[in-house]
Amino acid sequence: GAGVSQSPSNKVTEKGKDVELRCDPISGHTALYWYRQSLGQGLEFLIYFQGNSAPDKSGLPSDRFSAERTGGSVSTLTIQRTQQEDSAVYLCASSPRGPGYEQYFGPGTRLTVT
Amino acid sequence: DAKTTQPNSMESNEEEPVHLPCNHSTISGTDYIHWYRQLPSQGPEYVIHGLTSNVNNRMASLAIAEDRKSSTLILHRATLRDAAVYYCILRESGGSNYKLTFGKGTLLTVNP
Repeated sequence: GAGVSQSPSNKVTEKGKDVELRCDPISGHTALYWYRQSLGQGLEFLIYFQGNSAPDKSGLPSDRFSAERTGGSVSTLTIQRTQQEDSAVYLCASSPRGPGYEQYFGPGTRLTVT
Repeated sequence: DAKTTQPNSMESNEEEPVHLPCNHSTISGTDYIHWYRQLPSQGPEYVIHGLTSNVNNRMASLAIAEDRKSSTLILHRATLRDAAVYYCILRESGGSNYKLTFGKGTLLTVNP
């Protein structure tokens, strides 16, 4: 079946501009995660959605970052007033169940802030 | 998550089996053993997980020691596409720690 998809695959933006990154999880998966990964680094958790529960936003690095998940499916991660340190690969993952279960990742969006 | 220990790197030849070890001596009774891998320039990929019994799926097999203090991921016939960093992690079933974190993992090189 279809896996997790993300768009765009690459995004180059100028410092100070806003960007929106999209994630389409696997159909029927209730949990959705956003992570980011800088070059050669590990995964950095950003935000977690589970069903209709309030999301866990504890990993968002600043108030310039926000995310929403509409209809329990598609999610959008928005970064306002981008900075060069925001450059990274942004990964979305979904899981058929809640915490502790396997996560299926999308290919990521490579964001470059110039 | 409890700590796991893996070799930094391993090498294999194409079409030969590969056994990737993982030590987790402080594993608790409710921890599942999960394996992920990350190919170059790609997102992480779920491979397999298990609790006590050995597990097989289309990608790999997971052999779990009787005392659960170690496990081995088995790739039955390595291909060039299996060259990746392999991560062994412990996940508490249904626990609140859903934030996936990887250690250094094992870099698998597959020789043609």
